[in-house]
Amino acid sequence: GAVVSQHPSRVICKSGTSVKIECRSLDFQATTMFWYRQFPKKSLMLMATSNEGSKATYEQGVEKDKFLINHASLTLSTLTVTSAHPEDSSFYICSARASGRGVYEQYFGPGTRLTVT
Amino acid sequence: AQSVTQLGSHVSVSEGALVLLRCNYSSSVPPYLFWYVQYPNQGLQLLLKYTSAATLVKGINGFEAEFKKSETSFHLTKPSAHMSDAAEYFCAVSDQGRGSTLGRLYFGRGTQLTVWP
Repeated sequence: GAVVSQHPSRVICKSGTSVKIECRSLDFQATTMFWYRQFPKKSLMLMATSNEGSKATYEQGVEKDKFLINHASLTLSTLTVTSAHPEDSSFYICSARASGRGVYEQYFGPGTRLTVT
Repeated sequence: AQSVTQLGSHVSVSEGALVLLRCNYSSSVPPYLFWYVQYPNQGLQLLLKYTSAATLVKGINGFEAEFKKSETSFHLTKPSAHMSDAAEYFCAVSDQGRGSTLGRLYFGRGTQLTVWP
């Protein structure tokens, strides 16, 4: 149980285009999802916290107009990178916190590798 | 505020040797602590967690960690390393704040474990 999927696993896009990444909790409901960005050989940087039915809370320094997060249902959150540039190339990982389980229990998706050319 | 320091970005051991990965935390409240493992191009897998129960926590794949409040440490150990243990390991502390960011994790910078045959 507690499986989180991400789609796509890899995506290559041209500079200036937008890319949407989906994060789904497959066998549980997630009131909260977290989006992380990971640079090569670096730790995970929390970008934003997404709560179902409300606006995401962005970390300081993260452009909310560039990284659009939508958490429209208890099983799906999406991250849209708008007007992508090469510096947005990174590994994006989501995690989900299950409703009714331990508040501090997070389950991670397998990640999405974004390459902007 | 919570923070995590992982001493040593790289650790190398021989197969069969003891694995010791160090983690020190800073927290203004009693912490919840986690160790995650990440294989290349994959998401994070939970190895074990401390949530204020027993101070010696056993996890998957033979790993364990001991919470030492006096030393503010949560070091990860495994008595005998296996080739399959080679991966990146992250220590994390949980935010016990309120509201929309409840349960967010603060990660250390990670330790790359190499296991030599």
